[in-house]
Amino acid sequence: AQSVTQLDSQVPVFEEAPVELRCNYSSSVSVYLFWYVQYPNQGLQLLLKYLSGSTLVKGINGFEAEFNKSQTSFHLRKPSVHISDTAEYFCAVSDTNAGKSTFGDGTTLTVKP
Amino acid sequence: EAGVAQSPRYKIIEKRQSVAFWCNPISGHATLYWYQQILGQGPKLLIQFQNNGVVDDSQLPKDRFSAERLKGVDSTLKIQPAKLEDSAVYLCASSSRGFNYEQYFGPGTRLTVT
Repeated sequence: AQSVTQLDSQVPVFEEAPVELRCNYSSSVSVYLFWYVQYPNQGLQLLLKYLSGSTLVKGINGFEAEFNKSQTSFHLRKPSVHISDTAEYFCAVSDTNAGKSTFGDGTTLTVKP
Repeated sequence: EAGVAQSPRYKIIEKRQSVAFWCNPISGHATLYWYQQILGQGPKLLIQFQNNGVVDDSQLPKDRFSAERLKGVDSTLKIQPAKLEDSAVYLCASSSRGFNYEQYFGPGTRLTVT
């Protein structure tokens, strides 16, 4: 069994400020880790993924995430956000054996001018 | 390349009626997923196909939901009969080589059951 907990349902932040969206997961088997973004009235698209190797992963639009195995976390960060980053962000895991995907409930990032 | 196509985009039905959703994945993508996303929640996997075989359907309410992927290309998801709690967005996604690869999502079908 696996689960994903996104610790903040809503994160308001001012433009050009740094942001961190937190994601913890639980799984009895090895997993791959993903962050997806959903802009208003659009479908989900991949921001970044961790499969193996370096624990710091860089994605699109200046986002990065760090995999911490001991803390079972995969937090998403951006040093300076823009108004256009306002969206819903989903953390997800996929079982490396069976391939089942589990998503968190999402974090709404609102960037204010 | 063309993205994942879904239809219809919106559907309103009364409870106890039936409804069907259609998904056409990206050409060549072997893996197809159906998710249910209830307002305020993340997508919940209903069923995963690898070509035309089912990989996981453990969260599919099989007494009322069914899905098929004939010929390993497009897929249909059916609900019969619908309940009020089935109101949600139904997302279809595909990936080229399985669960460790990026999933490409369609725009979804918003179902309202009254």
